[in-house]
Amino acid sequence: EADIYQTPRYLVIGTGKKITLECSQTMGHDKMYWYQQDPGMELHLIHYSYGVNSTEKGDLSSESTVSRIRTEHFPLTLESARPSHTSQYLCASSEAMDNEKLFFGSGTQLSVL
Amino acid sequence: DAKTTQPNSMESNEEEPVHLPCNHSTISGTDYIHWYRQLPSQGPEYVIHGLTSNVNNRMASLAIAEDRKSSTLILHRATLRDAAVYYCILRDTNRDDKIIFGKGTRLHILP
Repeated sequence: EADIYQTPRYLVIGTGKKITLECSQTMGHDKMYWYQQDPGMELHLIHYSYGVNSTEKGDLSSESTVSRIRTEHFPLTLESARPSHTSQYLCASSEAMDNEKLFFGSGTQLSVL
Repeated sequence: DAKTTQPNSMESNEEEPVHLPCNHSTISGTDYIHWYRQLPSQGPEYVIHGLTSNVNNRMASLAIAEDRKSSTLILHRATLRDAAVYYCILRDTNRDDKIIFGKGTRLHILP
């Protein structure tokens, strides 16, 4: 049912590398979100967007950045990965209408060595 | 922002009903109550939402207290596949729509 895709599913990378986590949805949703989740812990909102050229910081401070040049695409970038960035990153989207449900991707598990 | 309180974990036997409680004593009149669940190694998935009246769908039922300060997610007949973390969240898109998840309730199903 959910047409939201995240790549890669798993990523192991060395410290200092630049990485981009991809998130795409084919539902035409205006709202998109990035959450960060450590094992067994709650989800923390790190970025969200209401539409093209709109990006906002979430509740958890993050060194990552996002962009929203196209409706369907909401990539997250880390300029210089560190071990503290090791976590699961989950992307979600919803329609702009009030209280529309969130659709989540399968997540990217990032490990920085 | 209005917050929710849920038990950290619950257990239930397979094929029995499960009642997952959520307290939201500071809920505002325009807050909708949403429930999501997260299966192991997956992203969360939508379960149900409501405003004032009880709601039913193919996955679950949502019972909302008359004063709206609490709600209960009801799984009518739990299966092993219902073992997950269940999140109760409040959502008001009249305000800045930062959808905040709490710690949720980890539901264990006993065979």
